[in-house]
Amino acid sequence: DTEVTQTPKHLVMGMTNKKSLKCEQHMGHRAMYWYKQKAKKPPELMFVYSYEKLSINESVPSRFSPECPNSSLLNLHLHALQPEDSALYLCASSPLGLAGARDLSSYNEQFFGPGTRLTVL
Amino acid sequence: SQQGEEDPQALSIQEGENATMNCSYKTSINNLQWYRQNSGRGLVHLILIRSNEREKHSGRLRVTLDTSKKSSSLLITASRAADTASYFCAMRTGTASKLTFGTGTRLQVTL
Repeated sequence: DTEVTQTPKHLVMGMTNKKSLKCEQHMGHRAMYWYKQKAKKPPELMFVYSYEKLSINESVPSRFSPECPNSSLLNLHLHALQPEDSALYLCASSPLGLAGARDLSSYNEQFFGPGTRLTVL
Repeated sequence: SQQGEEDPQALSIQEGENATMNCSYKTSINNLQWYRQNSGRGLVHLILIRSNEREKHSGRLRVTLDTSKKSSSLLITASRAADTASYFCAMRTGTASKLTFGTGTRLQVTL
């Protein structure tokens, strides 16, 4: 299985709602990523998880809360979002160096899911 | 500021023609990757070139890398309508598992 899946495909929420985006992969990749992409712009990195631990947070507002419950799943919990948070949210995964190695980073390609189109009203 | 700048921003060609898009970056890289994105969808990895490589081929794709000029180019030969998409270069720098994407080139291939 070489696929990254994301649910839901589309989400409309109000500024007071709480919702979650889900991402799943079964390729055994131990790095998982959340990106935000606005129309006609490149993806912007939000979070990186390495071996289920948060390794990079690109100064993302606390209304976005990531969670990695196991090596196959990645969630993004949303609360009190603003209309400007409306965007395509992309999940990706990639293989990592062996645990215990000096360099755990991924030099490899990232596999992307199809994204969740989020609209905040 | 953006790590990678791509040009042209948009490119329109006819089927069968070649398409060339360029990427310039600012700091040293470990590798540079190219991705394609169909409208509103996820990104698909096309090709990866390491900092010690100068040229790489994959099917109709040819990528070059000039680390002295901090630039890369992607050539798509004999383009097809199905190649219509946005193309992004992405740079891996330092030791973090992090890619920084270029600004993208929107390619339109018409019949």
